[in-house]
Formats: sequence, structure tokens, C-alpha cells
Amino acid sequence: RKEVEQDPGPFNVPEGATVAFNCTYSNSASQSFFWYRQDCRKEPKLLMSVYSSGNEDGRFTAQLNRASQYISLLIRDSKLSDSATYLCVVRDFGNEKLTFGTGTRLTIIP
Amino acid sequence: NAGVTQTPKFRILKIGQSMTLQCTQDMNHNYMYWYRQDPGMGLKLIYYSVGAGITDKGEVPNGYNVSRSTTEDFPLRLELAAPSQTSVYFCASSYPSGGELFFGEGSRLTVL
Repeated sequence: RKEVEQDPGPFNVPEGATVAFNCTYSNSASQSFFWYRQDCRKEPKLLMSVYSSGNEDGRFTAQLNRASQYISLLIRDSKLSDSATYLCVVRDFGNEKLTFGTGTRLTIIP
Repeated sequence: NAGVTQTPKFRILKIGQSMTLQCTQDMNHNYMYWYRQDPGMGLKLIYYSVGAGITDKGEVPNGYNVSRSTTEDFPLRLELAAPSQTSVYFCASSYPSGGELFFGEGSRLTVL
């Protein structure tokens, strides 16, 4: 089983719709979780950290389910500019390394 | 604020050639990383460093070497380039145990 798994998509979603991605991780000791966004042929950039209590940033909501070992990202009222690849990232306790999922590709359709 | 700067942005190598990808950061970050990303794939860690003079292997270190003589610089050397090393290389830095990685713009390497 991969350390961090994501549905690669692609997700083709009409503008204004709500879309959700999940990411599963294999190490129950994983401590920190993040969503990064990567535009085509660009470097990844932090979208948001994922806290145990869940967190929201505008149209984006991230949640963590430790019992089932997954994190989720919900995008409401999707915009054309949301088209990108979304990378799930996990850091294990006491580990300087971050493990990236392969990414979920999202395309918002006008 | 320059952040993380990588050079060159593009390079074509012949099989067997060697080269160094340069990476420098001006944020005084202790942690620095080199990742490679193959088309349609996630990022794989090549090497990382938690401070000057300290380096460690990641998932895919074979065919690469690194050094960290200063906090700012973390060059990646490719010895005897092979077609399998055709990829996009990203350098990144962060504070110790800090979640956010700051990435350079990437170096696109083709080995023919």
C-alpha cells in the first residue's frame, strides 16, 4: 500500500459546483497534513494545512479523520481558476520528510 | 524577496554527461530538499538536509549527490546522466518541522 494515496482523477466539474477529494495515508503515526496546489508546469504551493478540528479558508474546507486515516478537501462554488492538481502531503511524527501523494487533477468547465 | 532560486531552468544533457543543479534560498531555512517529478506523477524525494554539513538520502538517491556547505545553498549533482533522469527537479526549503515547503520554480532536465 502506498504511503499516501489519492484518486488521480481527472475530475471535470462545471463551474459553480462543489467538489471533494479524499486522500488516505498508511502510517497511523502521521502527524501533520497539508493540501498543496500545483498549476500546470509550475511549482507546488501550499493551499492549506489540515487541523484535527477541521479548518476552512473561504471556499475551501479541509478535514482530517484519524480513525479512518484520511484527509479531505472540499471546494465550494468552484471557479475556473481552481483548475489545477491538488497534492495531499503528510509528515510523520519526528520526521523531517514530507510524503506527497500523486495528486488529483481538477478541471473546472465553463 | 527571492525565496528559493533554482538554476538552470532548462537543460539538455547527453547520456554520460554530468551537471549540477543549483539551489539557493534567502529565508534562513534550516531544512532543504530536492524532489523530482516525472510526468503525471507525484514528487519523489531525492535528498534532504536539516542544516549545513548534514545531508540524508530520500526515496530515490541513486545517481545523485548533494552537499550543504552553507545554510543558503543546496546543489544537486547528477553524475553520468541517464535517460531515466529526465524529469523536473524541484528544490524546496522550510523551517524545522514547519509544514510549509517553499519551492523553487523547477529545473527541467532532458537526457538524450
